[in-house]
This record gives sequence, C-alpha cells and structure tokens, in this order.
Amino acid sequence: EAQVTQNPRYLITVTGKKLTVTCSQNMNHEYMSWYRQDPGLGLRQIYYSMNVEVTDKGDVPEGYKVSRKEKRNFPLILESPSPNQTSLYFCASSLEPIQGVGELFFGEGSRLTVL
Amino acid sequence: AQKITQTQPGMFVQEKEAVTLDCTYDTSDPSYGLFWYKQPSSGEMIFLIYQGSYDQQNATEGRYSLNFQKARKSANLVISASQLGDSAMYFCATSLYNFNKFYFGSGTKLNVKP
Repeated sequence: EAQVTQNPRYLITVTGKKLTVTCSQNMNHEYMSWYRQDPGLGLRQIYYSMNVEVTDKGDVPEGYKVSRKEKRNFPLILESPSPNQTSLYFCASSLEPIQGVGELFFGEGSRLTVL
Repeated sequence: AQKITQTQPGMFVQEKEAVTLDCTYDTSDPSYGLFWYKQPSSGEMIFLIYQGSYDQQNATEGRYSLNFQKARKSANLVISASQLGDSAMYFCATSLYNFNKFYFGSGTKLNVKP
C-alpha cells in the first residue's frame, strides 16, 4: 500500500529535550516536505526537499532541522523544543512533474506537546 | 511569500445541496498550481482537486469542481449534492512552479446538515 508513515503519532516532551519525528514514504517520490498545523493558521511549510541531499527552508524553519540522506526518509529534528512548537505536524511527499510539484500525499500527522 | 485567503471560517449546508467554498490567492508569478484538501475530524489530509494556472478549463473530480477565475485570483471549490461525509475542514493551497513551496489557507469548516 502506498503511504507516508510518521512516527511517533503522539508525543509529550519537555522543553529542551531533543526529539526526532521520522517520516518515510514508499512511493519513490522525489519531493518531501514538513508542515505544522495550528488553529486559525492552516498548514505552514517548515522545510522541503527536492531530492537526496537537497533541502530548503519553508516559511517557518526556525527551531527545526531536517536531513535527506535517503530518498524514502525525511526526518524532522527539534534540537531544543520549546512550548511554541506544540503543534500538529504533517510530513508529505509528491512526484515532481515537469510543471512544478504535484499533489501532496500526507502522513497521518504527529501531535507534539512541549511542556 | 504567497498568500491564500479563505474568508469563511465555518459554513453550514443542507444535505444534497451544492456549496461553494471561497479561496483567493495573491501571486505575481504566472506559473502556479492550486489545490484543495479535505481534513475530516480524524485528522488526515485528503487531496481533492488540482488546477494549473495555464489550464483553460476548470478542473472537475466527481462531485468536486474548481471555479478558477484567473483575473480575480480566485479558486473556489464547489461541492455538488453535499453528503454527511463531506463535513470536514477544507484547505485551499497553492504552489509556485519555480520555487516548489506550498502555501495553505486557514481553512473552512463545513458542516452538512441532514
């Protein structure tokens, strides 16, 4: 089954404790990206990656890191989480057609709470 | 940065009626794509429909159609014959072909009444 898998789905942590949210896709997609969803703000892009070893900042990259060492994996790293990073996080992937990026396939979301 | 505006935080529609969800966008780039996604209460994001900026015809997918008015920078979603299962949050989004970033609106919560 074609899917994007995120782990963990739910996490409660404390300020300053490094954490990683993993994301893996089995569709051989080149494009992957991370978003955070907050009430009233919709989804905002954190980072995206066009291919292995190619990453770039989205609209809200502060406080986050990413890496793309393999095509299928795109982990999101919070080096020192703070309460304002409490949010619902989505990973998504997409084919890269000639005219820009195609539709996004989303993971199920990871709800993160930072105390 | 691109801006996507969804002016209807919440809407009600009677089952079997049609409903239009509004979306306007702000870009000076001629090459972009427009998307609509559905988020049910269970939380997953479901792709509904896509319109390219150079497409001449409005996109349709089953009961969903996208009313694309390029001059007005408007990309409204029309759902025909609403069903109870259509109750969800709906997000409009855009991506620029050159930059491969995605921008989402704040969403419209649709409630379908029996």
